[in-house]
Amino acid sequence: LAKTTQPISMDSYEGQEVNITCSHNNIATNDYITWYQQFPSQGPRFIIQGYKTKVTNEVASLFIPADRKSSTLSLPRVSLSDTAVYYCLVVYGGATNKLIFGTGTLLAVQP
Amino acid sequence: EPEVTQTPSHQVTQMGQEVILRCVPISNHLYFYWYRQILGQKVEFLVSFYNNEISEKSEIFDDQFSVERPDGSNFTLKIRSTKLEDSAMYFCASRSRGGANTEAFFGQGTRLTVV
Repeated sequence: LAKTTQPISMDSYEGQEVNITCSHNNIATNDYITWYQQFPSQGPRFIIQGYKTKVTNEVASLFIPADRKSSTLSLPRVSLSDTAVYYCLVVYGGATNKLIFGTGTLLAVQP
Repeated sequence: EPEVTQTPSHQVTQMGQEVILRCVPISNHLYFYWYRQILGQKVEFLVSFYNNEISEKSEIFDDQFSVERPDGSNFTLKIRSTKLEDSAMYFCASRSRGGANTEAFFGQGTRLTVV
């Protein structure tokens, strides 16, 4: 299973764009890159998922270079409520598709 | 929006007691999971369940743990004889189908405190 590495924490201010980069050097051909968000004492919540190039939804964008060894989650114009832990996961394309969480990135948004 | 429901939200139990954590996955989902998160630590995979049987389990999921889908709607996690180190948030999750590109929906969790 591909291991992910991401910064432990990041600070930002309201209204700024935040980019969180994750490295996953040993990603396999069938793996997908997925990002989850977790607020304290709540379950993780799906944000976005991609295989290659760029994916955008109403919440975020995900940029994946051609070699797929890294990915960048982009949050436009963050607000205080975006303060959370963000997990980058490489989802194995096997039978159960279990999610293996790393330590995540604690994003702290300040006024 | 459909959601995964977990009960109770908080359970306190004495060491050595049995506990059952309950989950109602999203109705048309086929794959079910339990995860746990010890305070301040990362989310850890416990077990996956599909077609009425365990698909995969982690080293954490030893003989003290069991899962069941007794009536086609509920999905339960039983801990037979709780230990202090079982204190954690337990999250249930479900997915509509297999495939690495299928979103997992998590419940709000049950906070288990073993005293």
